[in-house]
Amino acid sequence: AQSVTQLGSHVSVSEGALVLLRCNYSSSVPPYLFWYVQYPNQGLQLLLKYTSAATLVKGINGFEAEFKKSETSFHLTKPSAHMSDAAEYFCAVSEGYGSARQLTFGSGTQLTVLP
Amino acid sequence: DGGITQSPKYLFRKEGQNVTLSCEQNLNHDAMYWYRQDPGQGLRLIYYSQIVNDFQKGDIAEGYSVSREKKESFPLTVTSAQKNPTAFYLCASSGLSGGVNEQFFGPGTRLTVL
Repeated sequence: AQSVTQLGSHVSVSEGALVLLRCNYSSSVPPYLFWYVQYPNQGLQLLLKYTSAATLVKGINGFEAEFKKSETSFHLTKPSAHMSDAAEYFCAVSEGYGSARQLTFGSGTQLTVLP
Repeated sequence: DGGITQSPKYLFRKEGQNVTLSCEQNLNHDAMYWYRQDPGQGLRLIYYSQIVNDFQKGDIAEGYSVSREKKESFPLTVTSAQKNPTAFYLCASSGLSGGVNEQFFGPGTRLTVL
């Protein structure tokens, strides 16, 4: 069975500071990994995805994540936080085959950006 | 524009009533999903469907029902058997993009039971 753990339900950073959101996964097969962002009362938007190609994945809005198999981690980073980055972030893992492989989501990390 | 629409955005229901949430997609995706979101719990899968006229239970299917009569539509009914239905409901769909199950989400419906 697959699972995702997001360390820290709330993270606060100052504007311009490094953003680091942590995600560790458990999977019995090589996983696909995703980061999604959710703004209040909206759906989820895909930030980036790992699909077993490059281990360093670049996404939208300046975010990137690095897949580390030895640490079973897929942490999300951004060098310089912007006020517009304030949102909730979800890490998700997918395994299996077929057109409807299920995603398992972490419980989310609420990012606050301080002026 | 291609995407997923959910309606209504806000829904109020009295206890004991069934209610149906709409989800439509024009992305030509085969698979569709329903999730429930509660504060601090992330997203939990209610039902999913890979093809028309077929669907499977997710982790929390009790008290919910779905249908998939058309590829574009995957309505969710919250029945009176659902003990705690107040939540934010998200619909998603996916196709195959190089074999990756990338899901696209609708804007959500917030259901409140009065």
